Amino acid sequence: SAVISQKPSRDICQRGTSLTIQCQVDSQVTMMFWYRQQPGQSLTLIATANQGSEATYESGFVIDKFPISRPNLTFSTLTVSNMSPEDSSIYLCSVRRGSGTDTQYFGPGTRLTVL
Amino acid sequence: QQPVQSPQAVILREGEDAVINCSSSKALYSVHWYRQKHGEAPVFLMILLKGGEQMRHEKISASFNEKKQQSSLYLTASQLSYSGTYFCGTPGGSNYKLTFGKGTLLTVNP
Repeated sequence: SAVISQKPSRDICQRGTSLTIQCQVDSQVTMMFWYRQQPGQSLTLIATANQGSEATYESGFVIDKFPISRPNLTFSTLTVSNMSPEDSSIYLCSVRRGSGTDTQYFGPGTRLTVL
Repeated sequence: QQPVQSPQAVILREGEDAVINCSSSKALYSVHWYRQKHGEAPVFLMILLKGGEQMRHEKISASFNEKKQQSSLYLTASQLSYSGTYFCGTPGGSNYKLTFGKGTLLTVNP
């Protein structure tokens, strides 16, 4: 398994501001992903965080809105920029150690409320 | 493409059984099952691999029918602790990123 921590665990932010969420894993992993889960909804992939290169974004998500960094194999950040109330969600970091058949684990999530 | 889960919700009494289905319109090589309790992160239950055997987690088992491109989760003699939303995830793309179904809300009552 993997031990994943996220900071902050929750935050309440004002419209127009930005928030950076940190994800730390207890050991090196191959893949790191960022998901969004809106209230009562499924898990939607925002992007794959690539170490040493630009993140790979899914359709509907752009780098200007959700810049991502991954400086090493155990750490990544997701920034939610110029926030609006529609960005209120739970943001989850997810990791996988090896190949595609390996287990993908989720961090505890960051609950974001934008006023 | 998002896998399709059914039913959307199910209510059981403790000790009853339930089946949750997950199907895909594309060929599947594996299916991943998670359970998420309210206010918590999704927790991994099991992976079903193409050509692999049926898997179990406690009294929860699952099967994978490659030809039908679907997986089923069997919850036997349900316990109160089984309550939560169950998601199936299917890998895709060059990095095998998981795409999740909309989830099945399972409520187990005493």
